Amino acid sequence: KAGVTQTPRYLIKTRGQQVTLSCSPISGHRSVSWYQQTPGQGLQFLFEYFSETQRNKGNFPGRFSGRQFSNSRSEMNVSTLELGDSALYLCASSPAGEETQYFGPGTRLLVL
Amino acid sequence: AQSVTQLGSHVSVSEGALVLLRCNYSSSVPPYLFWYVQYPNQGLQLLLKYTSAATLVKGINGFEAEFKKSETSFHLTKPSAHMSDAAEYFCAVRGNTGGFKTIFGAGTRLFVKA
Repeated sequence: KAGVTQTPRYLIKTRGQQVTLSCSPISGHRSVSWYQQTPGQGLQFLFEYFSETQRNKGNFPGRFSGRQFSNSRSEMNVSTLELGDSALYLCASSPAGEETQYFGPGTRLLVL
Repeated sequence: AQSVTQLGSHVSVSEGALVLLRCNYSSSVPPYLFWYVQYPNQGLQLLLKYTSAATLVKGINGFEAEFKKSETSFHLTKPSAHMSDAAEYFCAVRGNTGGFKTIFGAGTRLFVKA
């Protein structure tokens, strides 16, 4: 099976812009989670989707949003980008009823 | 609330020496515990997981971890370090407290000296 894929892998944006990141889970996985990884804050949970519904949300401002489509693919959007949003954004998927998460390679976002 | 503490942000061992990476967790209910490894510019790869089936868990690449409820610990070990083990290691807890989400430790960077 193909692993979790994330596009794009690298992205450069400027402050104030918005960005959309995409994640395709492993085939058959219905849960998708997003994490932000920075040197200062480490790995922080953004949100989790299951069958197109947001099941849980981390402590991030409303500028961070996400959604999941009927084929389980997920997108996250960050509006009005700030310098502090520069990070590696990781997506993870898991099958229904299983706690193990499988991670994609991440999207590295640089905000200038 | 769940939390994970990894003792030591950096650990250095010689090739062939024992690797011991420490992890303590806090959870009000029996948790699921994981160790992940991250190589530079890559995502996280699952090393092993504890799901209450056995307290000693064997993972990939010769790693294993022991769940000790009395000590709330889940330390990761490998008998003999290899140069390719140099990476960052994350301990994580996942449970149903406050909704299903995974809480990661701050990570431990492992250096392996020749």
